[in-house]
Amino acid sequence: GENVEQHPSTLSVQEGDSAVIKCTYSDSASNYFPWYKQELGKRPQLIIDIRSNVGEKKDQRIAVTLNKTAKHFSLHITETQPEDSAVYFCAASTLRAAGNKLTFGGGTRVLVKP
Amino acid sequence: DAGVIQSPRHEVTEMGQEVTLRCKPISGHNSLFWYRQTMMRGLELLIYFNNNVPIDDSGMPEDRFSAKMPNASFSTLKIQPSEPRDSAVYFCASSPRDGYSNQPQHFGDGTRLSIL
Repeated sequence: GENVEQHPSTLSVQEGDSAVIKCTYSDSASNYFPWYKQELGKRPQLIIDIRSNVGEKKDQRIAVTLNKTAKHFSLHITETQPEDSAVYFCAASTLRAAGNKLTFGGGTRVLVKP
Repeated sequence: DAGVIQSPRHEVTEMGQEVTLRCKPISGHNSLFWYRQTMMRGLELLIYFNNNVPIDDSGMPEDRFSAKMPNASFSTLKIQPSEPRDSAVYFCASSPRDGYSNQPQHFGDGTRLSIL
């Protein structure tokens, strides 16, 4: 089955700096890669996703890149703000006839220091 | 859009008791997922349904766990008998499924379960 590894497990950045989280996946058939943000005590919320036919996607201060050959994808947050402090999860999924379950990485706890 | 609705939000019960968690997916979504989240094991998929049919229950930890989806708007996750190690946050998520592409999963607010 799919295995997703996420690094680093914790990340501390100064407000205004950039944050980068990296994930690798094992199943070359995976073709959908969402990122979720989870604030303390809240539910995971989708912040951006990318499909395998695209190499990069951007939404304001958030961008995701995908390298299918190397089987890794990354989340970039620019101009970080205190409200970006949360746990971020990457995930991978393969479209199959039986359905598209997500395999999640272990999460990255991001702390933005003012 | 009311989002995915889970109940109860919090449940505290004694070991050995039956626990039932409930989920109402977003209207029109035909895939439903149950997850368990703990500090030690992270976010684990327990089971998921497509069109009310269980597709993959390989994540269900033991026979004490069971899940049903009697119709498109309701699902339950039952633990009987409950044990302290079942304490976790249980999330339900739903997504549309068109058969051609993966679709985002939308999570409910979760049920925080404590087994004493």
